[in-house]
Amino acid sequence: GEDVEQSLFLSVREGDSSVINCTYTDSSSTYLYWYKQEPGAGLQLLTYIFSNMDMKQDQRLTVLLNKKDKHLSLRIADTQTGDSAIYFCAESRGSQGNLIFGKGTKLSVKP
Amino acid sequence: DVKVTQSSRYLVKRTGEKVFLECVQDMDHENMFWYRQDPGLGLRLIYFSYDVKMKEKGDIPEGYSVSREKKERFSLILESASTNQTSMYLCASSLWPGDSTNEKLFFGSGTQLSVL
Repeated sequence: GEDVEQSLFLSVREGDSSVINCTYTDSSSTYLYWYKQEPGAGLQLLTYIFSNMDMKQDQRLTVLLNKKDKHLSLRIADTQTGDSAIYFCAESRGSQGNLIFGKGTKLSVKP
Repeated sequence: DVKVTQSSRYLVKRTGEKVFLECVQDMDHENMFWYRQDPGLGLRLIYFSYDVKMKEKGDIPEGYSVSREKKERFSLILESASTNQTSMYLCASSLWPGDSTNEKLFFGSGTQLSVL
C-alpha cells in the first residue's frame, strides 16, 4: 500500500519502556522521522534517522530501522507521564521536502 | 529557534463563509505547508508552496486555495466553508532545498476550525 502505518494506541506504566512501531513504503526515503504532538499543540520533531543507519540513540530514545522490512521503531526508556502524547512517524516523498505521515500512535502513560 | 505562528488558535465560522487561515514563519524557509488533522486519519497535506507565488496541490486540495505573496506568509483559504471542513489545521515550514535534513518540518500550534 501507499500508507505509512502505525498502531493507534499504546498504554504503558510509568518507568516501563515504550516501543512504537511503524512500517513505511518508500525504500528510497533518505531520512525517516519521529514527531511528537502534545495535547493542544503542533508537531515537534523528536528524532530522525538516516536510511543507511540501523540504530540511533539519543538519551532515552532509541530508533531502530530495518530497511529490508521497511520497519521503523521508537523506543522510549523509563517512560514518564510527560511522554504522554501522539507520536507520528514520517517518510520523505518526492523532491520537494514533503513528508508522508502515519496516523499517529497515542501513548498513554499510567502512574 | 524557528517560529511558525498561526494567527488564530480557535475559529468558529458559518457554512458558506469565506475563511482565511494565516501562517507566518520567521526563519526564511523556502517551503511552507498546510495540513489538516482529523481523528483516525492523521495528517493530510492540503497544499504546499516551495517559493513565493508558487503552489502545489497536496492530497486533499478540494475546497481549498492558498496564497503566498511573501516568503514568510502562507495563507489557506476556504472559499465557502462547509461542515466537513471542521478540523485542526496545521501549518509547517522547512528549509528545502539543501541536504536532506532540510526536510525537517517545523509546525505551528494549529488552528481548530469549527464550521457550523
